[in-house]
Amino acid sequence: AQTVTQSQPEMSVQEAETVTLSCTYDTSESDYYLFWYKQPPSRQMILVIRQEAYKQQNATENRFSVNFQKAAKSFSLKISDSQLGDAAMYFCAYRSGDFGNEKLTFGTGTRLTIIP
Amino acid sequence: DTGVSQDPRHKITKRGQNVTFRCDPISEHNRLYWYRQTLGQGPEFLTYFQNEAQLEKSRLLSDRFSAERPKGSFSTLEIQRTEQGDSAMYLCASSPTGRGNQPQHFGDGTRLSIL
Repeated sequence: AQTVTQSQPEMSVQEAETVTLSCTYDTSESDYYLFWYKQPPSRQMILVIRQEAYKQQNATENRFSVNFQKAAKSFSLKISDSQLGDAAMYFCAYRSGDFGNEKLTFGTGTRLTIIP
Repeated sequence: DTGVSQDPRHKITKRGQNVTFRCDPISEHNRLYWYRQTLGQGPEFLTYFQNEAQLEKSRLLSDRFSAERPKGSFSTLEIQRTEQGDSAMYLCASSPTGRGNQPQHFGDGTRLSIL
C-alpha cells in the first residue's frame, strides 16, 4: 500500500517570502500522479498543483512550484512571494497510475501560517 | 461550474441514530468519491462510483455504512447506528473520466458530531 508522509505539522513564513513544504511517499509503482491540495479554514479543499510521475519537468503554477525527485520519492511544494491568502492546511496526495485505482492517499497535512 | 455541493453542512445526532448525507457532483463528472477526515488528519478514502456503479470500497467502510448513487448523479452516504468514532468531516469529491491527472474537486464537507 502506498503511504504519504508530511513531516512538518506546522510551518510559518513572512509575507512576501518563500516557503517549502515537504512530502515523501512510498510506492512500488512506476506510474502515478502527485497532487498538492490546499484547505483553508472551514473552506473546501482545492487543487494547488499536480505532477505526473513520467514527466521529469517540475510543475509550476504561478507562485507555486514543485521539486519532484522520483528516485528519492520526494515531492516538495515551494510557495514564492507568500500572501496572506496562502494561509491554510496543505495536503500532499498520491494517486496510482493503474486505471480503476482512483483513490487519493493523503498525508497528514502541514498548517501554513503567514506572518504579516 | 457550480461545484460539488454537500448537504447538510453540519449534523449533530445522538449515538445510535442513523444519518444520511447527500452529495451533488459537478454535473459533467461521472466519478464520485467519498472521504472521511478526522481532526488533524488528511482525508481517508471510503468509496467511489463510476456513474451508478460502486467500484471500490475501503475497509474503513464497515457494515454500518452504505453509499448509493442510484441514477449516476447525486450520491448518498448513510451511517446506521452511529458511534462516537464516526464523528468526522465527510468529504465528497467528483472528477471526469480520463487520465489519472484529472483532479478531484471537493465539496465543503458534512461535519458529523455524535453526542
